[in-house]
Amino acid sequence: DAKTTQPPSMDCAEGRAANLPCNHSTISGNEYVYWYRQIHSQGPQYIIHGLKNNETNEMASLIITEDRKSSTLILPHATLRDTAVYYCIVRVVNSNYQLIWGAGTKLIIKP
Amino acid sequence: DAGVIQSPRHEVTEMGQEVTLRCKPISGHDYLFWYRQTMMRGLELLIYFNNNVPIDDSGMPEDRFSAKMPNASFSTLKIQPSEPRDSAVYFCASSRRATQETQYFGPGTRLLVL
Repeated sequence: DAKTTQPPSMDCAEGRAANLPCNHSTISGNEYVYWYRQIHSQGPQYIIHGLKNNETNEMASLIITEDRKSSTLILPHATLRDTAVYYCIVRVVNSNYQLIWGAGTKLIIKP
Repeated sequence: DAGVIQSPRHEVTEMGQEVTLRCKPISGHDYLFWYRQTMMRGLELLIYFNNNVPIDDSGMPEDRFSAKMPNASFSTLKIQPSEPRDSAVYFCASSRRATQETQYFGPGTRLLVL
C-alpha cells in the first residue's frame, strides 16, 4: 500500500507557483521523500528528494515540515509543460529499494 | 547521454503469442528495474536487477513472465503466452549504485494483447 496521500487533481495558472501537498504521517526517521512526475505518454521523471531539510534544484523546491509528516513540492513559475501527474513517494526501509507509487496528483496548468 | 532505451515502443499481438520487450540502461548504472503501468493498478514494480543479478522478482505476476539481464547493457522481459490482461505500458528504469532511488525511466513499451 502507498504510504502517502495526495489530492487527486489541482489546477494552477501559468506563470504562478504550483504548490503540491503530500501527507506521509507514518514516515520513519530514515525514510526519504521523493517526487517524480509523469507527463502524458512518457516515463516518470525524477524531480527532487529530501530527508528533513528543504531542498531546491533547477526544477523545484521541496519543503518538508519539521515533524516530517507532510511536504510540499513547489514549482516556482509553472508552464504549460508542467502539466503532469506528480507522485510523492516514501522509500520503504529494508525494501530493497522499492519505491511505492500511489495515484499521484494530476496537475493542470492553465493559460 | 542517450537515456534508457526501450524497444519496441508499441506492440500489438494476439493472445497466446510470445512477447519480448527490450531495455538498454544508462551506461554505468548498476540497477535496472522493470515496471508495469495500468489505469487500474497504477505503476507496479515487477523485478529489479543489481549488477545483472535479479534481486527481487516478487512483483512478477505469474510464471508466464520472465526477465533476464545477460550483461550490463541489455535486459529483456518476456511474456509467454501473452493474455489480454497483460495489456499495459511496460517501463524500464535504471539507477546508479549510490543513489538507487533516483531512477531514470525509459519511454515505455505500449503492449496490446488482443
